[in-house]
Amino acid sequence: NAGVTQTPKFQVLKTGQSMTLQCAQDMNHNSMYWYRQDPGMGLRLIYYSASEGTTDKGEVPNGYNVSRLNKREFSLRLESAAPSQTSVYFCASSRKGQGSGELFFGEGSRLTVL
Amino acid sequence: GQQVMQIPQYQHVQEGEDFTTYCNSSTTLSNIQWYKQRPGGHPVFLIQLVKSGEVKKQKRLTFQFGEAKKNSSLHITATQTTDVGTYFCVEEASGTYKYIFGTGTRLKVLA
Repeated sequence: NAGVTQTPKFQVLKTGQSMTLQCAQDMNHNSMYWYRQDPGMGLRLIYYSASEGTTDKGEVPNGYNVSRLNKREFSLRLESAAPSQTSVYFCASSRKGQGSGELFFGEGSRLTVL
Repeated sequence: GQQVMQIPQYQHVQEGEDFTTYCNSSTTLSNIQWYKQRPGGHPVFLIQLVKSGEVKKQKRLTFQFGEAKKNSSLHITATQTTDVGTYFCVEEASGTYKYIFGTGTRLKVLA
């Protein structure tokens, strides 16, 4: 099992460019999440999706949009990237609502905005 | 909003010494989870505590949930170099599917 797969692993953008981070899980989880982690900091929740067809804002949603394409996939879009969005982005999924609620994380996507 | 504070922020210990990190919430928690993140890695689930006063052990790790369910601790006995990393407590926001991470404690173990 691949678990949670994120692409790309690394990306460099110029200010104002747009991009989409892709996330897919093969564990049949209902809930999916996007976090960002700045250097030396904890993880902050950007958006989450409790189930297919629903999305909700987390702690730091400004500047981002999400799409829950289907049960497997949850993408994060930066419409106009800013240097403040330089960070490591983690996607996670959970069986919350289906059983044990532990989070399973992808390997992360390191984004640099120049 | 919810805040989950952890102390200390950093801890350097000699190999073999004990280590404890504390997690405090401003609200009563339904449950709390603990994760470990190795340098350059992603968070990995360690354990979930649900009951007031609950204590769980995993080999050298002891997890405790406060009686009032507002705080939690992780204690590592006789640290090893493999314990290096950042330890996070995570609370589930009541009535939602949000998981809010604590500020984390970064542990360095000196051989």
